[in-house]
Amino acid sequence: QVQLQESGPGLVKPSQTLSLTCTVSGGSISSGGYYWSWIRQHPGKGLEWIGYIYYSGSTYYNPSLKSRVTISVDTSKNQFSLKLSSVTAADTAVYYCARANWNDVYFDYWGQGTLVTVSS
Amino acid sequence: QSALTQPRSVSGSPGQSVTISCTGTSSDVGGYNYVSWYQQHPGKAPKLMIYDVSKRPSGVPDRFSGSKSGNTASLTISGLQAEDEADYYCCSYAGSYTSVFGGGTKLTVL
Repeated sequence: QVQLQESGPGLVKPSQTLSLTCTVSGGSISSGGYYWSWIRQHPGKGLEWIGYIYYSGSTYYNPSLKSRVTISVDTSKNQFSLKLSSVTAADTAVYYCARANWNDVYFDYWGQGTLVTVSS
Repeated sequence: QSALTQPRSVSGSPGQSVTISCTGTSSDVGGYNYVSWYQQHPGKAPKLMIYDVSKRPSGVPDRFSGSKSGNTASLTISGLQAEDEADYYCCSYAGSYTSVFGGGTKLTVL
């Protein structure tokens, strides 16, 4: 059973960079056919797709966040990471990592989510 | 890339059926058969309920079904049960390795 777990600071100051890591267990991040994704949910709001990464390092981002987002992968640690720069209060959200089954493009495994608050 | 349009809320009594719509464009919902639906209970991570417009993952009751017509996808829940009360989100592939979610629909079981 694949499991994903987000980790990182729960509080980030405005203008700084938000950094989160997703650790994958129960399966290899290098398995073909899967993309690894970050998704966020503003308090009381809907889901917003942030981006995908393949184990090879290929990345794809939401156009609305592209200028501030970097997703990277560390296959040796079975982890992938999110960096979001120049954060504001509008970036306060629960951040989820998820596995995307690329054959049919759906998210089959999700982390529990981690709340990141942007505040001074 | 705009969010897919879902009704903010729907409701139904136990045993009844409800349908949640998800409207996009020819660049997302209408252009690909990669529409998926997720159920989210408060404080929990989303759970996959439907993929490829109408396929159910193992373990999802057959009370849940999906369909698509043009730029609008739909999730139908028949034989409503109390535990179906949750938020539901649609998601579609939007080309160029991007995806887009709907705004979410709150289902209330009366």
